[in-house]
Amino acid sequence: GNSVTQMEGPVTLSEEAFLTINCTYTATGYPSLFWYVQYPGEGLQLLLKATKADDKGSNKGFEATYRKETTSFHLEKGSVQVSDSAVYFCALSPPDTGRRALTFGSGTRLQVQP
Amino acid sequence: DSGVTQTPKHLITATGQRVTLRCSPRSGDLSVYWYQQSLDQGLQFLIQYYNGEERAKGNILERFSAQQFPDLHSELNLSSLELGDSALYFCASSTRLENEQFFGPGTRLTVL
Repeated sequence: GNSVTQMEGPVTLSEEAFLTINCTYTATGYPSLFWYVQYPGEGLQLLLKATKADDKGSNKGFEATYRKETTSFHLEKGSVQVSDSAVYFCALSPPDTGRRALTFGSGTRLQVQP
Repeated sequence: DSGVTQTPKHLITATGQRVTLRCSPRSGDLSVYWYQQSLDQGLQFLIQYYNGEERAKGNILERFSAQQFPDLHSELNLSSLELGDSALYFCASSTRLENEQFFGPGTRLTVL
């Protein structure tokens, strides 16, 4: 079946540091890949997505590239801010347009200190 | 604001009871998904409806059921509640062709 593996957290960084959160996946075919973010006490917000190999998703300074050869979709940001403190979830959805239930990783908590 | 609404925001009940969670999808979205977020299981897909019909099932217990109504809102019914059912329950919606889902704010269920 499909699965997503994320690096364990929490990740603690100082403001303006470089961020990488690793994500690898197992799936048949060519799934779509997503990063969602959950701020304290809130629901999940889509951060970025990629739908095919070598696609780069980007939003709010965050980036992730769909690497089919390494089955990875690592999240990066060049300079984090305190406001980026949240839990980040990597997820995939299968290519079947009728059944796009998301499979999530376990989430990585990011804490950014001023 | 994702455009997906869920009620109630919080729900506290006792073991053995039955509750109903409600979700209204974004305007025009035909697909509704339910997810459970718990500390031990993480985020898990429960069930999907598309235009009133069940489309896919995930790790949904037999004590749980759902339906999608003609106006496209959905309800998740949880019965014979156990302590372990305490969790955040999220609803998400999408169009048929989009592959991203938009999540509601969730309903926090506490079973005492």
